Amino acid sequence: GESVGLHLPTLSVQEGDNSIINCAYSNSASDYFIWYKQESGKGPQFIIDIRSNMDKRQGQRVTVLLNKTVKHLSLQIAATQPGDSAVYFCAEIEGGGADGLTFGKGTHLIIQP
Amino acid sequence: DVKVTQSSRYLVKRTGEKVFLECVQDMDHENMFWYRQDPGLGLRLIYFSYDVKMKEKGDIPEGYSVSREKKERFSLILESASTNQTSMYLCASSFTGPPRGNYGYTFGSGTRLTVV
Repeated sequence: GESVGLHLPTLSVQEGDNSIINCAYSNSASDYFIWYKQESGKGPQFIIDIRSNMDKRQGQRVTVLLNKTVKHLSLQIAATQPGDSAVYFCAEIEGGGADGLTFGKGTHLIIQP
Repeated sequence: DVKVTQSSRYLVKRTGEKVFLECVQDMDHENMFWYRQDPGLGLRLIYFSYDVKMKEKGDIPEGYSVSREKKERFSLILESASTNQTSMYLCASSFTGPPRGNYGYTFGSGTRLTVV
């Protein structure tokens, strides 16, 4: 598959502020997207997913936005907490899934007190 | 709680040793994957398997082999460990997709391997 990338390797936000993590993808055939969170010393954990027939999906304190026109994905975290400090990965997959997920390199979210 | 279990969190091995990394999942997933994760390089796929006794090379298979004798277990083998194989190794599993489930992966906690 084609590469999936992130705009910034590190994002620093104040505790309590909203965080927005961005991801650009290049494979226009991708139809399923996932955000993962990886805390230090742990494996990535699923946060939220979205299919290409949707523009927005909300979870608990998190929202994923998908703009297929510009092939852009974002993760919004409301009222950022210290426990949100982690590396966040986007991943995408093309229909059928034969090639598996393609991962971005990750954005390190740093929470400032 | 469903999970992917990697047998070791930390391993230290000597150059030239044969190393086995074990991964077990309890979700009846068809697919299993081995990645290595290095700073600045992200997740790189080593090998994957879509079924028992089936394996496919990923992006960086050199120096590695795998074994999948049972659906729930996927082993990564370093035939002769080298220092450039020092890394975090992550196992993951998934369904093949709808209707069995979505494409998302469940990851293990990782094994940090140091080869000296």
